[in-house]
Amino acid sequence: EIVLTQSPATLSLSPGERATLSCRASQSVSSYLAWYQQKPGQAPRLLIYDASNRATGIPARFSGSGSGTDFTLTVSSLEPEDFGVYYCQQHSNWPTFGPGTKVDIK
Amino acid sequence: QVQLQESGPGLVKPSETLSLTCTVSGGSISSYYWGWIRQPAGKGLEWIGHIYTSGSTNYSPSLKSRATMSVDTSKNQFSLKLSSVTAADTAVYYCARSDLSRIDAFDIWGQGTMVTVSS
Repeated sequence: EIVLTQSPATLSLSPGERATLSCRASQSVSSYLAWYQQKPGQAPRLLIYDASNRATGIPARFSGSGSGTDFTLTVSSLEPEDFGVYYCQQHSNWPTFGPGTKVDIK
Repeated sequence: QVQLQESGPGLVKPSETLSLTCTVSGGSISSYYWGWIRQPAGKGLEWIGHIYTSGSTNYSPSLKSRATMSVDTSKNQFSLKLSSVTAADTAVYYCARSDLSRIDAFDIWGQGTMVTVSS
């Protein structure tokens, strides 16, 4: 099983600030890495797939990078609606999810 | 637009079989991969498996012995059965869609259904 670790566990930021979230895989997943945002009581929302491709309707302030074992999700300027929990997921083989990074309001 | 809706019992007794159905509306079920993901309260996400519209399946190794998925294209539905459930199977269960070009990157999700395993 490919284990994903995310850092930091919690990120406290103000609107307008830049958010940088990290995801590391226990072995290479090539570029098969997705990012999701989840808000309380809601299903996850796909933001990024294949490490760097934005899903349909996702604003340009969200960007993904990386390959192999190290990946980053960047939100260039946080909007109030961007606060929530962010999960990375490898969709290479027998998908697994990371434990999540909570982005909350400072 | 395409919408997914999970349905099934909210309470299942230990050792029994959990059965859920996902109904796809606003589009065809054909030519997509359809997955099940669960999330215990306050915890992270766990991929259970997926099924293609041809009926081919892939399951999480940890659940493979207990999980069975099926698809009914005539009803635009797919289903999950999880046998011999225990309290550890208590979770919100989501159904979700993924495209052929990005299998298991789920772009459309149902709202989720809470399943509690308890006597």
